[in-house]
Amino acid sequence: ILNVEQSPQSLHVQEGDSTNFTCSFPSSNFYALHWYRWETAKSPEALFVMTLNGDEKKKGRISATLNTKEGYSYLYIKGSQPEDSATYLCAFDDNYGQNFVFGPGTRLSVLP
Amino acid sequence: EPEVTQTPSHQVTQMGQEVILRCVPISNHLYFYWYRQILGQKVEFLVSFYNNEISEKSEIFDDQFSVERPDGSNFTLKIRSTKLEDSAMYFCASSEAQGDTQYFGPGTRLTVL
Repeated sequence: ILNVEQSPQSLHVQEGDSTNFTCSFPSSNFYALHWYRWETAKSPEALFVMTLNGDEKKKGRISATLNTKEGYSYLYIKGSQPEDSATYLCAFDDNYGQNFVFGPGTRLSVLP
Repeated sequence: EPEVTQTPSHQVTQMGQEVILRCVPISNHLYFYWYRQILGQKVEFLVSFYNNEISEKSEIFDDQFSVERPDGSNFTLKIRSTKLEDSAMYFCASSEAQGDTQYFGPGTRLTVL
């Protein structure tokens, strides 16, 4: 059974703070790592798909890095805003997109 | 922007009843998926579907579950005889190609009484 973990489980930051959280996954049979942002009562929104060791992706104030050799990815948010409050999920793909294995998520709350 | 839609948003059913959860994937997507999330637990993969057949399924996806693409737009998940433990949020997803980003619908919350 593949184990994908995320830490911390939840995080409270002040508006304007920068923050980061971790997704760890098996380092063998890696195909891709996906990050999603999931607001309550909405669809999970795709943020990044990362496939190469050393990949860095950026979308506005959010960026992510990937280390496939040691099996982790970091998601960074610079200058957090209240609208960044959501659960951030990572999904590990070792099967060419046939099925994703999700982490438990990091719930971020940004306080104004 | 195209999106995946799901109906109903909430379904309440009695144990033992059959339910059908409906999804309309993004129109040019060819790969379809169902996931579920039991309250407080991780999102879990159920099944992937391509070219009118199941390409991968998890241990959860037993004989009580089936999927179908009855026409060119809908993708359905049927649970034949629901159990209390089937209560969960069920998400449909689709992708344009294998290995691409999967786009998720808003989910159907299934409550089995």
